[in-house]
Amino acid sequence: SAVISQKPSRDICQRGTSLTIQCQVDSQVTMMFWYRQQPGQSLTLIATANQGSEATYESGFVIDKFPISRPNLTFSTLTVSNMSPEDSSIYLCSVEDNYGYTFGSGTRLTVV
Amino acid sequence: GDSVTQMEGPVTLSEEAFLTINCTYTATGYPSLFWYVQYPGEGLQLLLKATKADDKGSNKGFEATYRKETTSFHLEKGSVQVSDSAVYFCALRGDYKLSFGAGTTVTVRA
Repeated sequence: SAVISQKPSRDICQRGTSLTIQCQVDSQVTMMFWYRQQPGQSLTLIATANQGSEATYESGFVIDKFPISRPNLTFSTLTVSNMSPEDSSIYLCSVEDNYGYTFGSGTRLTVV
Repeated sequence: GDSVTQMEGPVTLSEEAFLTINCTYTATGYPSLFWYVQYPGEGLQLLLKATKADDKGSNKGFEATYRKETTSFHLEKGSVQVSDSAVYFCALRGDYKLSFGAGTTVTVRA
């Protein structure tokens, strides 16, 4: 299966600031997915990132709050902008490979 | 749209007990179905999958059978261990993306 390197693994941020999360995949993939897992909750898809086009956002998520970059077929970033305590969650990237969907180890974000 | 309904926990069992976690789905067509596991402090791992009706996925003593007639994909293990304590997520692949159930927290006591 694909190997995903996600960083940072955790961060504590001040409200009103922004954090950029990076995901690097060891193989070229067409689509990369970004998820949010709020405390004690399931995973919710934020957006799908394709190389060379704008990301596709799910209902309830907007580009101004969660801008995404996808400069090539192995890398993507998600920025959480103008953060508030409600943004405290685990953020995960994912790709589809021959086995199913592989996930990064996640970024545990705490906003204070 | 696609959705997954999963038995919510928490579930607490004794070692060597039988585990079942129910999962049903709503989807157009015939989606691929997955079980993912999240051990304490770790990331999400694929446990098993099934891609068509009557397929049985299995891994680490866990099994699940894709039942089209009941739109179900229940997870079972005959004899759980303390190391099976984790959160289990049922998921389906519709179009190109995964939809997850709510997750079931399983605690196995020695």
